[in-house]
Amino acid sequence: GAVVSQHPSRVICKSGTSVKIECRSLDFQATTMFWYRQFPKQSLMLMATSNEGSKATYEQGVEKDKFLINHASLTLSTLTVTSAHPEDSSFYICSARPQGGGSKNIQYFGAGTRLSVL
Amino acid sequence: QKEVEQDPGPLSVPEGAIVSLNCTYSNSAFQYFMWYRQYSRKGPELLMYTYSSGNKEDGRFTAQVDKSSKYISLFIRDSQPSDSATYLCAMSQSGNQFYFGTGTSLTVIP
Repeated sequence: GAVVSQHPSRVICKSGTSVKIECRSLDFQATTMFWYRQFPKQSLMLMATSNEGSKATYEQGVEKDKFLINHASLTLSTLTVTSAHPEDSSFYICSARPQGGGSKNIQYFGAGTRLSVL
Repeated sequence: QKEVEQDPGPLSVPEGAIVSLNCTYSNSAFQYFMWYRQYSRKGPELLMYTYSSGNKEDGRFTAQVDKSSKYISLFIRDSQPSDSATYLCAMSQSGNQFYFGTGTSLTVIP
């Protein structure tokens, strides 16, 4: 159990286009989902925390107009990189925390999306 | 001071060795402790989860939490080349915010 599906796994796009990444919890409901960015050989950098039905909370230095996050249901969150530029090229990973708290206070990660902006 | 400290390695061991990975933390309120394994270009995979103090064993993996010393460990017995990956520790006080170590890169040599 506790599977998080992230799609697409790889995307190559031209500069100026927008890219949408989907994150789905397949066998549990997630009131909270997290979006991370990871540079080569570095740890995870939290970009934003999204709660179902409310606006995402962005970390300092992350442009909310650049990285649009929508968490419309208990099983789906999306990250849209708007007007992507080469410096946005990175590995983006989502995670989901099961509803209920307590012993479920852990995160399950998607497989990640490698974004390359030409 | 960082919330979570983890030696980045790299750590290289021969196949069959016992591997010890460690993290220290500063926030005594942390209650939830996790170890993740991350292969190159993949998302982290949950290996072990511990609530509060104590030990937990799952196959070749043992997680230990020592809250008095603010120290957690992951032991891998009979290490295999397929264990070669980056290992991340993570912890949380209430599940609303998680703190990750920088990851330890492990290579198991056949």
